[in-house]
Amino acid sequence: AQSVAQPEDQVNVAEGNPLTVKCTYSVSGNPYLFWYVQYPNRGLQFLLKYITGDNLVKGSYGFEAEFNKSQTSFHLKKPSALVSDSALYFCAVRPYRDDKIIFGKGTRLHILP
Amino acid sequence: EAQVTQNPRYLITVTGKKLTVTCSQNMNHEYMSWYRQDPGLGLRQIYYSMNVEVTDKGDVPEGYKVSRKEKRNFPLILESPSPNQTSLYFCASSPRLAGATDTQYFGPGTRLTVL
Repeated sequence: AQSVAQPEDQVNVAEGNPLTVKCTYSVSGNPYLFWYVQYPNRGLQFLLKYITGDNLVKGSYGFEAEFNKSQTSFHLKKPSALVSDSALYFCAVRPYRDDKIIFGKGTRLHILP
Repeated sequence: EAQVTQNPRYLITVTGKKLTVTCSQNMNHEYMSWYRQDPGLGLRQIYYSMNVEVTDKGDVPEGYKVSRKEKRNFPLILESPSPNQTSLYFCASSPRLAGATDTQYFGPGTRLTVL
């Protein structure tokens, strides 16, 4: 079955430190990969996506993600965390030649002042 | 302003009473979708639509219906709601560029409670 895994329910990082939110996927073919962020009482907002090309993609608010085909991963990263980055982060994948979208369960990111 | 709107934002109802949650987008997007968000389960796709009169099931379609008579609207219908449909619902839309489903734009959410 096609799936997306976010292995950490919660990640705690001190402000100013680098952060990583992990995502791995299991789909057939070459997928389209996305990261979305959800702030409290809000809908989801797009952060970045990988469709094709350079494996390192840069997105909003200083976030970036690296597509690793051999490890089927698409980890979200930021060099220096801000308290305002605290939110719920979702990885999503659109499998190749499929119109469904599969989301991970989400990772809650806490940035500690 | 480009946006996806949902109504109502909050709804408390009783088991078996038919309800409709409306979704509308003003971006001329082809693709529209409904999700439910539950603690520990993330977002799960209920139904999606590639264009007018074209709809298909997501991962959790049981107990839901949708229609796409106009490009901008994609209502979610619960014919006979049950308590296990208590959830936070999101509508989303995206352009479909060159055959790919691109970035999704999400509505603000509808919190539904079925008693």
